[in-house]
Amino acid sequence: ETGVTQTPRHLVMGMTNKKSLKCEQHLGHNAMYWYKQSAKKPLELMFVYSLEERVENNSVPSRFSPECPNSSHLFLHLHTLQPEDSALYLCASSQVGMRQTDTQYFGPGTRLTVL
Amino acid sequence: GENVEQHPSTLSVQEGDSAVIKCTYSDSASNYFPWYKQELGKGPQLIIDIRSNVGEKKDQRIAVTLNKTAKHFSLHITETQPEDSAVYFCAASRGYKLSFGAGTTVTVRA
Repeated sequence: ETGVTQTPRHLVMGMTNKKSLKCEQHLGHNAMYWYKQSAKKPLELMFVYSLEERVENNSVPSRFSPECPNSSHLFLHLHTLQPEDSALYLCASSQVGMRQTDTQYFGPGTRLTVL
Repeated sequence: GENVEQHPSTLSVQEGDSAVIKCTYSDSASNYFPWYKQELGKGPQLIIDIRSNVGEKKDQRIAVTLNKTAKHFSLHITETQPEDSAVYFCAASRGYKLSFGAGTTVTVRA
């Protein structure tokens, strides 16, 4: 595997389910990101993890919970989601940490549908 | 926070013609401006980027220009080909936070 991989690629879940999205980067990077991509809207940054710290967008509901066990893996735990949470969830990584500007490389995304 | 506006939202060009996408940003401290291409079923892929100390950058058929005074930057694709059909996103950042435009759907007509 190369680059940034995400699993599953598609997920359909009910509002009472609990599921997790997984992201893995094979680039030796030190920072990882979760983005939400909804139709006709700009990409929205949800969470950032680096060696130094975690940053979250305060507008992200608590039903989304990130976990970053090491610099190569990132999870997004989902519980009691709403239909409006249906979107493409993208993971990205960058070489340097959050204190510097650097190129972000994206995975293919997980298409989430909440029924 | 940073606000990035992107125009047009859709663009249809004849194969071989040029395509131009324009973006404006609001935060004068932004110093990095990447462009991404997203094909159906895939994540955004970086195609070119420019930093605030450079006014223009070119890579084969793709070029980006930056006007810091006016706070706008543009993507130019020359000699368009059918494989250039995709959604293109501009972004502006200071530090880790990338602010994206809403995207331009480019269709290249054969």
